[in-house]
Amino acid sequence: DAGVIQSPRHEVTEMGQEVTLRCKPISGHDYLFWYRQTMMRGLELLIYFNNNVPIDDSGMPEDRFSAKMPNASFSTLKIQPSEPRDSAVYFCASSYRGELFFGEGSRLTVL
Amino acid sequence: DQQVKQNSPSLSVQEGRISILNCDYTNSMFDYFLWYKKYPAEGPTFLISISSIKDKNEDGRFTVFLNKSAKHLSLHIVPSQPGDSAVYFCAASRGTSYGKLTFGQGTILTVHP
Repeated sequence: DAGVIQSPRHEVTEMGQEVTLRCKPISGHDYLFWYRQTMMRGLELLIYFNNNVPIDDSGMPEDRFSAKMPNASFSTLKIQPSEPRDSAVYFCASSYRGELFFGEGSRLTVL
Repeated sequence: DQQVKQNSPSLSVQEGRISILNCDYTNSMFDYFLWYKKYPAEGPTFLISISSIKDKNEDGRFTVFLNKSAKHLSLHIVPSQPGDSAVYFCAASRGTSYGKLTFGQGTILTVHP
């Protein structure tokens, strides 16, 4: 199995631009999570889905952030408009029966 | 509010010695605790876990201790090896059924040869 696949691995953009991060979970996993890693707060849960349905988005910092999961094999996290404080590494993870597997992350830099 | 805290941002240890990483939590509803290890440019990977019904779990060189009354857990690595150099994240959850974890800030462990 290829594991959780994220793209892009690195994204550099300017303030105000739209950013879309993508994730392909492990086949058969029924939960999908988006986490953000910063030095100050470590890994923060932004949102998670169960069987493609958003369950808890209380970690999404602002309305500028949105996430979708149109089918079991694809999810997106969108930031519009982006701001410098959004710079972080964004991880997607999927799980089945409680074991969590992470992708390699998308490093976002907003100038 | 940070429900899981790792108060030491970094730890430096000599090869062969013991590494002790600490973690505190505030939510008494947490009943399952995990440690994840992360190398640069990779995602975190599961290392070891412990249920609240236990106070110790051992896996090779890695042992996790849980003190429920103090809401404190620790990870011991004995003996430490240079390949253990990584960021270690403590995590906690309510139950084990689906993987929703609350993580700490992480501790950077450096093991010197």
